[in-house]
Amino acid sequence: EAQILESGGDLVQPGGSLRLACVGSDVIFSNYAMSWVRQAPGKGLEWVSGISGYGGSTSYAASVKGRFAISRADSRNTLYLQMNSLRVEDTAVYFCARASCSSTSCPLDFWGQGTLVTVS
Amino acid sequence: DIQMTQSPSSMSASIGDRVSISCRASQSVSSHLSWYQYQPGKAPKLLIYEASRLKTGAPSRFSGSGSGTDFTLIISSLQPEDFAIYFCQQTYSEPLTFGGGTRVEIK
Repeated sequence: EAQILESGGDLVQPGGSLRLACVGSDVIFSNYAMSWVRQAPGKGLEWVSGISGYGGSTSYAASVKGRFAISRADSRNTLYLQMNSLRVEDTAVYFCARASCSSTSCPLDFWGQGTLVTVS
Repeated sequence: DIQMTQSPSSMSASIGDRVSISCRASQSVSSHLSWYQYQPGKAPKLLIYEASRLKTGAPSRFSGSGSGTDFTLIISSLQPEDFAIYFCQQTYSEPLTFGGGTRVEIK
């Protein structure tokens, strides 16, 4: 079954760092834009960061800009999110999602089930 | 940032009901509007993109309409597997923003 699997979620203290990863199984990442989206407890979905299909362009939500960094390793069909200077308000389930084209402004047509990050 | 407002935030409906969910953008997003279904613990699913285009494989009972600032998701005949949370998202400009979600519950 085609799927995206996230990993790296954990309990971390404020000010700490985590690196999330997601891997595609029968879901090709290469040439497609990828995004990280999060859902804080009791809240809606928040787009966090995106990277274009050729890796040349990255973008971030204002709430994480300067603290988070998105990257990709297409040879390993893997997407990363390096999260530094974590805050309590970063607590959320983080979803990895593939866009339907190479632009980060495309719909997200394939998602993982998420990984939980708790900052406390 | 473009604000997306969904209504209602929750609703109760019965199997076979026609369900309508609204999404309003704070400024025009043309037709760059997607709808997703989310069941907690599962991966969200894209249902509709470009406001009215049904994703391949999504059930035909789902349909979308609208352009500019006002959009609607319709479920023509609610099925047991449709009880979930539905989100709209604009892909017109970054940051890509989501509506607050509409929880569809069993009546």
